[in-house]
Amino acid sequence: EIVLTQSPGTLSLSPGERATLSCRASQSVSSSYLAWYQQKPGQAPRLLIYGASSRATGIPDRFSGSGSGTDFTLTISRLEPEDFAVYYCQQYGSSPQWTFGQGTKVEIK
Amino acid sequence: QITLKESGPTLVKPTQTLTLTCTFSGFSLSTSGVGVGWIRQPPGKALEWLALIYWDDDKRYSPSLKSRLTITKDTSKNQVVLTMTNMDPVDTATYYCAHSEIWIQDFDYWGQGTLVTVSS
Repeated sequence: EIVLTQSPGTLSLSPGERATLSCRASQSVSSSYLAWYQQKPGQAPRLLIYGASSRATGIPDRFSGSGSGTDFTLTISRLEPEDFAVYYCQQYGSSPQWTFGQGTKVEIK
Repeated sequence: QITLKESGPTLVKPTQTLTLTCTFSGFSLSTSGVGVGWIRQPPGKALEWLALIYWDDDKRYSPSLKSRLTITKDTSKNQVVLTMTNMDPVDTATYYCAHSEIWIQDFDYWGQGTLVTVSS
């Protein structure tokens, strides 16, 4: 079973700052099947990044994804007030086919 | 425009069977490559994938819950149904259904979710 470990658990930053979120897999993950989601309180998750580095429809270019193998990163170049939320990485691969990380909360400092 | 909406009971008793329905629009589950999955989230906790059904009726289940889950589709009604047997208080969560495609294997459209509480 592939386990996704996200770090840090909480990131305290100010608007305008750069956020770097990490997702580490216990085994190699196909870059084609690594995604990132944003979730705000009381809302469903929203797909941000698919295929490790491709932005989903309508996602601003301040969001970018990178990485391969076991190490993946979500970067928010300049935090906007609406970006403070919880972020999850997700992979598709060996059973269980879909797994999520435990999440990183980006909070206002 | 793709939309999905979950429906079902908000409260179930321990040992009962939960039946949730996902009603969707904007796509067809008879289209090659399309899938609908279920994901849950206990209050304050992370997301957990449960099951997914593809356009060709291929079904995938979380190994840890496989014995308790059944996923089916009704293409004519644009619905996917998830049943979970032997409910326990630890199954209290918001249950989401979501659209997926076999080429990307992510969840690009989500329902609003439905909170299911398991309590006697």
